[in-house]
Amino acid sequence: NAGVTQTPKFRVLKTGQSMTLLCAQDMNHEYMYWYRQDPGMGLRLIHYSVGEGTTAKGEVPDGYNVSRLKKQNFLLGLESAAPSQTSVYFCASRRGTRSSYNEQFFGPGTRLTVL
Amino acid sequence: AQSVSQHNHHVILSEAASLELGCNYSYGGTVNLFWYVQYPGQHLQLLLKYFSGDPLVKGIKGFEAEFIKSKFSFNLRKPSVQWSDTAEYFCACLTGGSYIPTFGRGTSLIVHP
Repeated sequence: NAGVTQTPKFRVLKTGQSMTLLCAQDMNHEYMYWYRQDPGMGLRLIHYSVGEGTTAKGEVPDGYNVSRLKKQNFLLGLESAAPSQTSVYFCASRRGTRSSYNEQFFGPGTRLTVL
Repeated sequence: AQSVSQHNHHVILSEAASLELGCNYSYGGTVNLFWYVQYPGQHLQLLLKYFSGDPLVKGIKGFEAEFIKSKFSFNLRKPSVQWSDTAEYFCACLTGGSYIPTFGRGTSLIVHP
């Protein structure tokens, strides 16, 4: 199993450009998450999904949109990139609410720079 | 709202020193607790987790953590650290039935050879 994969690994954008980050998991997990990680700020949840076709806002959703059209994929979109969105983005997935399956599995991250 | 506090933001140790990283959570009900490690330039990986049973949990690479319900704590320990333990460590809490884990801000550990 590949686990959780993210595309691309690195990207540089100019202010105002748009892009989509792709997260894919092959573990048949129900829940998926997008986080951003900034120095000294820890992980901050952007959006999450509890199943195919569902999405919900996290702690810092402004400037981002998401879609979960297929269970295995969770897309994060930036419609008009801003320098404040320079960050490392991590996707994670989780199987469900039963205790044994509660841990998250993280992708390798996407390093985004907005100039 | 629940919260997770990691009181040590930066820890610097020499190899072979003992390690204890603090983690406190605020929720009073049933919790699942996790420690994740992020090595430089890598993604988060699970070190260990607690969901029920023995409050002393053993994880990978010689790490362990003790769940003390009365203190709302889940401190991470290792008796003898190595240079390769240099990383960022995150504590996380998930309450029963919740979709969203709450993460602490992380502790940066540097181990000098």
